[in-house]
Amino acid sequence: NAGVTQTPKFRVLKTGQSMTLLCAQDMNHEYMYWYRQDPGMGLRLIHYSVGEGTTAKGEVPDGYNVSRLKKQNFLLGLESAAPSQTSVYFCASRTGTPVEQYFGPGTRLTVT
Amino acid sequence: GEDVEQSLFLSVREGDSSVINCTYTDSSSTYLYWYKQEPGAGLQLLTYIFSNMDMKQDQRLTVLLNKKDKHLSLRIADTQTGDSAIYFCAPLMDSSYKLIFGSGTRLLVRP
Repeated sequence: NAGVTQTPKFRVLKTGQSMTLLCAQDMNHEYMYWYRQDPGMGLRLIHYSVGEGTTAKGEVPDGYNVSRLKKQNFLLGLESAAPSQTSVYFCASRTGTPVEQYFGPGTRLTVT
Repeated sequence: GEDVEQSLFLSVREGDSSVINCTYTDSSSTYLYWYKQEPGAGLQLLTYIFSNMDMKQDQRLTVLLNKKDKHLSLRIADTQTGDSAIYFCAPLMDSSYKLIFGSGTRLLVRP
């Protein structure tokens, strides 16, 4: 099992550009999550999904969109990147019961 | 909103025990987790405790839960230099199946 994988690992964008971050998991998990981590802070939830075809907003959803067309993939889109979106983005997926949440290695995004 | 507080920094000598503390506000959390993050890496699930337990031991790790005071701690026995990392406490919000993270405690293990 590869677990949770994320592509790309690094990216630099100019303000106003768009991009999509891909998260994939091979553990057949229903729940998937996108977080961002800023220096000296914990993780903040952007969006999450409780199953294929469903998405919901987290704490900081503005400026991001997501899609879950296939159970194993969860995409995070930035339509018009802003410097405030410079961060490290983590994807996670989790089991049912007991609840164990596993994280991907992260994508470091810089918006100039 | 829900909140998690942790001390920012802890320094211990190799071989000593480390105790990392966490307080939280959501009394409905069924599961409470500890994650470890090494520099430049993702979060690694270390252990977790179910809310009807007071203590859980897992090799060198001991988790203590005081549900009345909403206090969680992680004890690492015989701390090694490889334990140097940031440790996050993360209760699960049952109502929304979301983890709430504190800012993390940076553990430095001195040789």
